[in-house]
Amino acid sequence: EDKVVQSPLSLVVHEGDTVTLNCSYEVTNFRSLLWYKQEKKAPTFLFMLTSSGIEKKSGRLSSILDKKELSSILNITATQTGDSAIYLCAVEESYGKLTFGQGTILTVHP
Amino acid sequence: DADVTQTPRNRITKTGKRIMLECSQTKGHDRMYWYRQDPGLGLRLIYYSFDVKDINKGEISDGYSVSRQAQAKFSLSLESAIPNQTALYFCATSDLTGTHEQFFGPGTRLTVL
Repeated sequence: EDKVVQSPLSLVVHEGDTVTLNCSYEVTNFRSLLWYKQEKKAPTFLFMLTSSGIEKKSGRLSSILDKKELSSILNITATQTGDSAIYLCAVEESYGKLTFGQGTILTVHP
Repeated sequence: DADVTQTPRNRITKTGKRIMLECSQTKGHDRMYWYRQDPGLGLRLIYYSFDVKDINKGEISDGYSVSRQAQAKFSLSLESAIPNQTALYFCATSDLTGTHEQFFGPGTRLTVL
């Protein structure tokens, strides 16, 4: 059975801290790994990763995939209160189906 | 205008009632999906459709059915709602080519009493 596991499940930090969110997976036909951010509404796309070792970056957020370890990390530097959200990791299989992890709830205090 | 819309946005119903949740998209995508979200469980796939004649079960399809009436419309039905179907439901779409990124609707919060 395909499985995506995120850790930690929740995290509380203060503004300015750096956080690292983890995602590990076991799927049959891996195509890509996606990260989404969910505030009080629908998930919004952050990154899609297909190749091992190539960092994707957008402002203070970055992510990298390790296909050997079947995992990915999402880093957020200099966190702000607006980064408070649920961060979802999903793995896409070759025929387009996504399997999501449980999500990491990030709370950033001022 | 939103690319993926869902109706209703909120619904409270009673056990045993039939409920239909509707999803429409203007993105021109072939692929559409229904998920439910429960606290601590992430998003779980209920059904998905890769074109108008294609319907596939996801990991939690029991108690649900779907209809793909057109490329732009994908509806989810609960034939006889039960309390453990209380959840936040999302519709999503993706393109056949390109990144396969999924675009989500705003969600429907369903409460079954």
